[in-house]
Amino acid sequence: QVQLVQSGAEVKKPGASVKVSCKASGYTFTSYYMHWVRQAPGQGLEWMGIINPSGGSTSYAQKFQGRVTMTRDTSTSTVYMELSSLRSEDTAVYYCARVMGIQQDGAFDIWGQGTMVTVSS
Amino acid sequence: EIVLTQSPGTLSLSPGERATLSCRASQSVSSSYLAWYQQKPGQAPRLLIYGASSRATGIPDRFSGSGSGTDFTLTISRLEPEDFAVYYCQQYGSSLMYTFGQGTKLEIK
Repeated sequence: QVQLVQSGAEVKKPGASVKVSCKASGYTFTSYYMHWVRQAPGQGLEWMGIINPSGGSTSYAQKFQGRVTMTRDTSTSTVYMELSSLRSEDTAVYYCARVMGIQQDGAFDIWGQGTMVTVSS
Repeated sequence: EIVLTQSPGTLSLSPGERATLSCRASQSVSSSYLAWYQQKPGQAPRLLIYGASSRATGIPDRFSGSGSGTDFTLTISRLEPEDFAVYYCQQYGSSLMYTFGQGTKLEIK
């Protein structure tokens, strides 16, 4: 079945970086764009950026420009999200989510289970 | 950037009642690129509605979406116990901006 499986929880110190993985299965990895969305404790959903798994092109939300990098490995059908210069406000659950359909613009029909990232000294 | 404002913040209803959730955009949402998601505690969001009114795969027909331009509505015709959750609207496709509303919590009265 179609699924996205994310890496496990992380605890990081302020100023460090974190890299979260999202492994896709059950479909043609390079045919569907992928997004990253985060959710701080008790808060709403915040869009971070998008990656095209086929060519690797990316677009990031302005808020995260310069701090986030999204990459992919087509050999393992995995996308990665790396966030640097972590601060306490980055404590959140991070989700990968697949775009419905093969076009860039679409709703998010498949979500990973989420990865909790805690930033604490 | 398109800002989505959901109302009410919290909606208290009983099973069997009808729920009406609103999502208003600060500017017109192109081609009805508006989606609704349901999120239960400890779970990832689940896609309910896309294109403003199309149900996603496996979504019961008690869920319906409507609206265009700047005003959109999610209606749950007869609430089941499993429908009590937080609901988010989202616009997608506007200049690579994919904003979410702040959410409406649907709670049991």
